[in-house]
Amino acid sequence: NAGVTQTPKFQVLKTGQSMTLQCAQDMNHEYMSWYRQDPGMGLRLIHYSVGAGITDQGEVPNGYNVSRSTTEDFPLRLLSAAPSQTSVYFCASGPGLGTKNIQYFGAGTRLSVL
Amino acid sequence: AQSVTQLDSHVSVSEGTPVLLRCNYSSSYSPSLFWYVQHPNKGLQLLLKYTSAATLVKGINGFEAEFKKSETSFHLTKPSAHMSDAAEYFCVVSKKGDDYKLSFGAGTTVTVRA
Repeated sequence: NAGVTQTPKFQVLKTGQSMTLQCAQDMNHEYMSWYRQDPGMGLRLIHYSVGAGITDQGEVPNGYNVSRSTTEDFPLRLLSAAPSQTSVYFCASGPGLGTKNIQYFGAGTRLSVL
Repeated sequence: AQSVTQLDSHVSVSEGTPVLLRCNYSSSYSPSLFWYVQHPNKGLQLLLKYTSAATLVKGINGFEAEFKKSETSFHLTKPSAHMSDAAEYFCVVSKKGDDYKLSFGAGTTVTVRA
């Protein structure tokens, strides 16, 4: 049972490079989201999706792009990497509304931008 | 809007003694409240969730939390700490019905002394 899978686990970029962080879930969850974790700040929501073809911005969306063409996948694109985007990125998915709705997190991608 | 304040950035306890992690929340709406745990270099795992069914919520690994509306608090406790409880703990709030948009506290790091 894979759950939420993030790739790569580690990545080093140079300023200005672009890349895509991959996230896949095998639980048929409607909701998927991306967070970044910075020291002393908890996790902050970047973008989220409530279903295939539907995405919206979270708290810190600038510099990131997302799309949701399938239920399973929710990639996060860095258009032109900046040192301020050095962080640990977590993808999460959840089954839907109601009391049983909790979010399941991937293991994270640690990104360094030089 | 909703937000969370974790009152202690670091808590140190001796093995076998009680653990108390303090969390205050602010929400314009009826909130859902969560505690997540993150072990070193791991993803986040849900400890427990409050959704209004009961004010005392029992979670995994012997943890529980009490929702106090009058104090806008959701403190996490465990009667007897174990070495494996050493981790970072996040108090999280969402608007009930919008549980895919989580607002995280800054986190509390727990150290357990032998």
